[in-house]
Amino acid sequence: QQPVQSPQAVILREGEDAVINCSSSKALYSVHWYRQKHGEAPVFLMILLKGGEQKGHEKISASFNEKKQQSSLYLTASQLSYSGTYFCGTEEVAGYQKVTFGTGTKLQVIP
Amino acid sequence: DGGITQSPKYLFRKEGQNVTLSCEQNLNHDAMYWYRQDPGQGLRLIYYSQIVNDFQKGDIAEGYSVSREKKESFPLTVTSAQKNPTAFYLCASSPREERGGHEQFFGPGTRLTVL
Repeated sequence: QQPVQSPQAVILREGEDAVINCSSSKALYSVHWYRQKHGEAPVFLMILLKGGEQKGHEKISASFNEKKQQSSLYLTASQLSYSGTYFCGTEEVAGYQKVTFGTGTKLQVIP
Repeated sequence: DGGITQSPKYLFRKEGQNVTLSCEQNLNHDAMYWYRQDPGQGLRLIYYSQIVNDFQKGDIAEGYSVSREKKESFPLTVTSAQKNPTAFYLCASSPREERGGHEQFFGPGTRLTVL
């Protein structure tokens, strides 16, 4: 079952902040975040692991609430380059290598 | 430069024909994946492979087949049994480690159109 993302779409002006949420009905080992520009491959942003470890870009921040099976991606002082579709991916079992992606959140940053 | 290549970028086929999509990586990754992307539905996992000569069905494997004879290659065949094959197909790879949590590297994708 795919994780649920919210909102489905958001429009921001440059400099504004946004939060994208990802929620699963299952216990999670890790949450991945990717951004995809139209017609291109998804690009890795961050991984949050059970236990608090994080891997990713310094300018991107995210949280992972293991008990609630939820993760949030925080985009601050948005730039035009932040536009794209953001996907979360969830991994239920460590080492099983299977990641299930959400349906995406389309973010548009306007001048 | 290390990376993942998919070919071709655009592919057109007639209904009822099987078609094979190529995916090659030189990142020395053990795990490889195939996803299908349709508008508004995100990425759905078709098949994945953790090591050579082994692969598992994902969430939407019906009508697809794969092979993993070499570490670098993970071709996907879209068979005539797939009822609605027109979509954007993405291949990805990642390192394999027991504790998991590794990012996936994606290829540029193949847009398949069945006429």
